[in-house]
Amino acid sequence: KAGVTQTPRYLIKTRGQQVTLSCSPISGHRSVSWYQQTPGQGLQFLFEYFSETQRNKGNFPGRFSGRQFSNSRSEMNVSTLELGDSALYLCASSLTGTGENEQFFGPGTRLTVL
Amino acid sequence: GIQVEQSPPDLILQEGANSTLRCNFSDSVNNLQWFHQNPWGQLINLFYIPSGTKQNGRLSATTVATERYSLLYISSSQTTDSGVYFCAVVPGNTGKLIFGQGTTLQVKP
Repeated sequence: KAGVTQTPRYLIKTRGQQVTLSCSPISGHRSVSWYQQTPGQGLQFLFEYFSETQRNKGNFPGRFSGRQFSNSRSEMNVSTLELGDSALYLCASSLTGTGENEQFFGPGTRLTVL
Repeated sequence: GIQVEQSPPDLILQEGANSTLRCNFSDSVNNLQWFHQNPWGQLINLFYIPSGTKQNGRLSATTVATERYSLLYISSSQTTDSGVYFCAVVPGNTGKLIFGQGTTLQVKP
């Protein structure tokens, strides 16, 4: 069974631009969560989608948004990029996302904002 | 919110040594996972262990949910064990993983 995939793997943008990252979960998994990892803040939860609905949201500004499609694939968008948005963005998939299922992570997208 | 603390923050071992990594959490949880982050940044699942003890080769983990801690044991460490180990918990029924700050392990040949 294929694992979680994320595209692109690396991305370089400049301040003020916007970016869209994609995540395809493990087949059969309906929950997709997104996390941001920075050296200063560690791993932080962004949001979680289940059945095309955002079910949980972390403490990030509205510039960070996401969506989920009917095939469970998810995208996250960051608008008006800031230098501080440079980070590794990880997505995770699980069967139901209720905490009773194990979460599996993709390889991540490394975003650099110049 | 729930706090997750990992200790020690850094650990240097000689190849072949054993080690114990600790994860304390401040409230009851529904789920606890241990991960190893590889040099490319991917989080590799080690254990899904909300309670009890599990073993996988040279690695084992124990979670004592009533006392709010989990331990990860690495025996006969190898250089490939180097990296950052994270503990993450799920409070309530949200599915949201709360991560500790990690333990950076370096195994020297």
